[in-house]
Amino acid sequence: DQQVKQNSPSLSVQEGRISILNCDYTNSMFDYFLWYKKYPAEGPTFLISISSIKDKNEDGRFTVFLNKSAKHLSLHIVPSQPGDSAVYFCAAWSNSGYALNFGKGTSLLVTP
Amino acid sequence: GAGVSQSPSNKVTEKGKDVELRCDPISGHTALYWYRQSLGQGLEFLIYFQGNSAPDKSGLPSDRFSAERTGGSVSTLTIQRTQQEDSAVYLCASSFRARGEKLFFGSGTQLSVL
Repeated sequence: DQQVKQNSPSLSVQEGRISILNCDYTNSMFDYFLWYKKYPAEGPTFLISISSIKDKNEDGRFTVFLNKSAKHLSLHIVPSQPGDSAVYFCAAWSNSGYALNFGKGTSLLVTP
Repeated sequence: GAGVSQSPSNKVTEKGKDVELRCDPISGHTALYWYRQSLGQGLEFLIYFQGNSAPDKSGLPSDRFSAERTGGSVSTLTIQRTQQEDSAVYLCASSFRARGEKLFFGSGTQLSVL
């Protein structure tokens, strides 16, 4: 069963606007969350993370928000740039077990 | 090396043949993971190695899949009697510790079973 869900397979945003990518999870044992970015023919690269003790983490144009009660997190990219066009994966660690659990990804297209 | 290295980058094989995929993790990383990404799917966990401990094989989809890690470094994922549904990108990742931190991924091996 998919414990990390990214319900939007794709998103298109104009350059300069905000991109918001959403992620929901079902496992209450998840305590650390990460976003990865993937270009075609490359491996995923780490983007930003957040611990369950926080509700926001910011790094430059990227901000991740965590709502534990709703089991929901989101990635905001402001302003969006054409180079941000990629597939974004949400991932979560459980406080038990050794597998990083991934969603199916959201393909972001930033148009000029 | 500077990053996780995987070989080959592409592999085309015939149904029923065996294949071996190789992963060379970042030096000093004790944890090594194999994932696969089938078309339109997310990253599916296959197997995890931590140092010299017994691997966590809970994600392997069938007994045709096996993996080993020699000397706590290089890992090989073997798929026996390949099937068309094995076609996917196989990704290797490593990290300094067992869990709770970011994984560093290789570029993957694109496996196509004809």
